[in-house]
Amino acid sequence: DGGITQSPKYLFRKEGQNVTLSCEQNLNHDAMYWYRQDPGQGLRLIYYSQIVNDFQKGDIAEGYSVSREKKESFPLTVTSAQKNPTAFYLCASSIGWTTEAFFGQGTRLTVV
Amino acid sequence: QQPVQSPQAVILREGEDAVINCSSSKALYSVHWYRQKHGEAPVFLMILLKGGEQKGHEKISASFNEKKQQSSLYLTASQLSYSGTYFCGTSSGGSNYKLTFGKGTLLTVNP
Repeated sequence: DGGITQSPKYLFRKEGQNVTLSCEQNLNHDAMYWYRQDPGQGLRLIYYSQIVNDFQKGDIAEGYSVSREKKESFPLTVTSAQKNPTAFYLCASSIGWTTEAFFGQGTRLTVV
Repeated sequence: QQPVQSPQAVILREGEDAVINCSSSKALYSVHWYRQKHGEAPVFLMILLKGGEQKGHEKISASFNEKKQQSSLYLTASQLSYSGTYFCGTSSGGSNYKLTFGKGTLLTVNP
C-alpha cells in the first residue's frame, strides 16, 4: 500500500542534543513538507521541498535542517539551536499545490 | 504568513449547520480543507482551485472567492463524526509548492 510513514511515533531527547525525525513516502510525490503543531498555533511550515536536492525554508525554519537526497525521503533534524523543540511534528507529501497533501501519523518530540 | 480562520471554535448540536471561513492577505491559487481528530493526522476534505468554484459532497461543501482571497467551508446537518479541528491551507501557485495552513477551527458536535 502506498503511503507516508513517520518514525518514531514518540521521541524523547535531552536538551542540547540534535535529533532526526524520519519521513518516507512511496507515493512518488515530488513535494514534501514538514510542519510543526503546537496547541492553538495550527500547522506551521518548517521546510518544504519540490524536487530532489532542493528545499526551501518555511515560516519557522530557524533551528531546523533538512535534506532531500532521495525522492522518497525527507528527514528533519531538530538542532540544539531550536529554543523550544517540544512539539508534534507532521510530514506531508503531494504531487503539487493543485493536489491533495497526504500526511504521516506524526512524531511527538519531547525534549527534557 | 498563515491564512486567518474564523471562528476559532464552534459548538453545535447534531443536525445544526456551521460555516468556517478562511482568508489570506496574499493572492491565492488554491485552497485546501482538512479535518484532524485529536492525536491523528489531518485528513483531506477538498481542494478548490482558482476560478471561484464551489464543490463538495452533499453535506460538506466549500466556496472560493479569489478576488476576496477567501474561502468558506459549509457543514450542513452536522453529525457527531464531524467533530474535530478544521484547517484551511493556501497556496500562491505558480512554480512554488509552498502550502501554508491556518490555526484551525475546533468544531464540537454534541448529541
